[in-house]
Amino acid sequence: AQKVTQAQTEISVVEKEDVTLDCVYETRDTTYYLFWYKQPPSGELVFLIRRNSFDEQNEISGRYSWNFQESTSSFNFTITASQVVDSAVYFCALTGSGTYKYIFGTGTRLKVLA
Amino acid sequence: NAGVTQTPKFQVLKTGQSMTLQCAQDMNHEYMSWYRQDPGMGLRLIHYSVGAGITDQGEVPNGYNVSRSTTEDFPLRLLSAAPSQTSVYFCASSNTGNTIYFGEGSWLTVV
Repeated sequence: AQKVTQAQTEISVVEKEDVTLDCVYETRDTTYYLFWYKQPPSGELVFLIRRNSFDEQNEISGRYSWNFQESTSSFNFTITASQVVDSAVYFCALTGSGTYKYIFGTGTRLKVLA
Repeated sequence: NAGVTQTPKFQVLKTGQSMTLQCAQDMNHEYMSWYRQDPGMGLRLIHYSVGAGITDQGEVPNGYNVSRSTTEDFPLRLLSAAPSQTSVYFCASSNTGNTIYFGEGSWLTVV
């Protein structure tokens, strides 16, 4: 069975601090895909990043970076120099190769204080 | 760049009324789905479809009906609304293994 766990329910940081959101997943698939989505107060779900299990390197995109560790089944997401506009709920998600099922974590609410 | 379009954005229903949430995508995605989002419970899958004419139940299908007559459209019907169906509903689409894209959400209140 597939599962995504986001143990952090809510995190508060002060603006310009770095913050890492944790995601632990379970899957029996050898090829799978991991995602992070942002849900700002306006409510829409915005795609942020995607990581294929077979990619070799972690990446950075602007202030976002992610750390995929297959050995610990973790896919953590870091925001560098956080801003108030980063305040949102962040969801981690998982899908397998050849399947249409997407499993979402319960989300982490990030509050960035000015 | 329409992506996934769902309507209406806000709706208030009386208990027992029926309604349809509309969803359309213009990305030629095979997979479409409906989720509901409730506080503290993340996103729960209601129904999904892997192509025109094919639908299946997700995690919380009771009280909802779907059909997929075209690749583009995937409406969600509430047959007899109940207060427990007060929620935020998201339509989504993707191709297998690819990024799933969401509509803007529909806020439904059943009184």
